[in-house]
Amino acid sequence: AQSVTQLDSHVSVSEGTPVLLRCNYSSSYSPSLFWYVQHPNKGLQLLLKYTSAATLVKGINGFEAEFKKSETSFHLTKPSAHMSDAAEYFCVVSVGGPYNTDKLIFGTGTRLQVFP
Amino acid sequence: SQTIHQWPATLVQPVGSPLSLECTVEGTSNPNLYWYRQAAGRGLQLLFYSIGIDQISSEVPQNLSASRPQDRQFILSSKKLLLSDSGFYLCAWGPSGGNYEQYFGPGTRLTVT
Repeated sequence: AQSVTQLDSHVSVSEGTPVLLRCNYSSSYSPSLFWYVQHPNKGLQLLLKYTSAATLVKGINGFEAEFKKSETSFHLTKPSAHMSDAAEYFCVVSVGGPYNTDKLIFGTGTRLQVFP
Repeated sequence: SQTIHQWPATLVQPVGSPLSLECTVEGTSNPNLYWYRQAAGRGLQLLFYSIGIDQISSEVPQNLSASRPQDRQFILSSKKLLLSDSGFYLCAWGPSGGNYEQYFGPGTRLTVT
């Protein structure tokens, strides 16, 4: 069965330093993977997606993620953190549902804190 | 461009009262629609999904029901709320035909007292 594991529940960085949010996945076939961001009391925003094209995926707001099949990882990175990046981040895998629906399996989330 | 709306934004209801949350999508036709619940400090749990009008599938047995009376309208309901129904409810849409990503609305914060 497909699943994702976010390895850190909390990550704290200083503004201007790199961000690394770690995610491992489990899938019996080539998965579709996503990162979503959620600011407090807001909906989820799609940051980026991997769907078996280029293994290095660039997203919005300077984020990117690299799909590594050998390590079953899909870590999210950003070279320089900004205060506005403070939020909850979810790693997500898509499992095909019936009738061409897509069921998203969410990780438990990583809360990113950015200190000035 | 597509937009998704949810209302109300917040709701406080007593135990045993009914519930109706509404979600509408603009700028697309025949979307797949989804209801999720996010309990405090936890990830998202899929509750219902729909591929078309009056075509609803339930993921987990619970005190809630969903309906889709129009192509771009999705409603989450309950006849009698339980304390355990408290949470953040999110509606999402995705293109029909399976295109993987989903786009989320702003959410409704429900507190059952």
